[in-house]
Amino acid sequence: DIVMTQSPDSLAVSLGERATINCKSSQTVLHSSNNWNFLAWYQQKPGQSPKLLFYWASTRGSGVPDRFSSSGSGTDFTLTISSLQAEDVAVYYCQQYYSRPHTFGQGTKLEIK
Amino acid sequence: EVQVVESGGGLVQPGGSLRLSCAASGFTFSNHWMSWVRQAPGRGLEWVANIKQDAGELYYVDSVKGRFTISRDNARNSVHLQMSSLRVEDTAIYYCARGLASFGYVLDNWGQGTLVTVSS
Repeated sequence: DIVMTQSPDSLAVSLGERATINCKSSQTVLHSSNNWNFLAWYQQKPGQSPKLLFYWASTRGSGVPDRFSSSGSGTDFTLTISSLQAEDVAVYYCQQYYSRPHTFGQGTKLEIK
Repeated sequence: EVQVVESGGGLVQPGGSLRLSCAASGFTFSNHWMSWVRQAPGRGLEWVANIKQDAGELYYVDSVKGRFTISRDNARNSVHLQMSSLRVEDTAIYYCARGLASFGYVLDNWGQGTLVTVSS
């Protein structure tokens, strides 16, 4: 199985500041046939179900604000929130869908400092 | 509005069975892969199973193979998860999720979940 490791486990950032979350896969999730990264990011706010933020590593999901961005390739990926808003408090998960089982990272809890 | 609504959770003893259902609306159900993802209390997400549009492909995480069965009814816009030989470690919120029309492994709409508690 591909192991997804996120860092940090938790993060406290001031309102309006940048937040960066990292995700590393134990093997590449870049498909050589099409050069696409089989990597998604999800946001889970307290008491809610997860919401899709990005797929193919950098394609924004429906309705996702542009203060969110995602980058990376191969085994290393980054989710960035350029200017943290109060409504961004959540746990963020990366997930690979390159091979089954479609494993998630352990999650990164983002809070307001 | 796209909606997926889970039902069927509850308290069951170890070794017991439970059938979860997910009712879909607001989209053409037969065009989408469907998945189940679970979350143990206070823990992260774990992909459990998924099923292709025509049910011709079914996949499971190893820990549930032989115990759980995913199925779908395109006439009734529903997907099910039959769970048997349940273990304490199966205790979790079970989410039903729709796959993108363009690539079914990406989960673009999630239900609110149904809680399964396995305990004696």
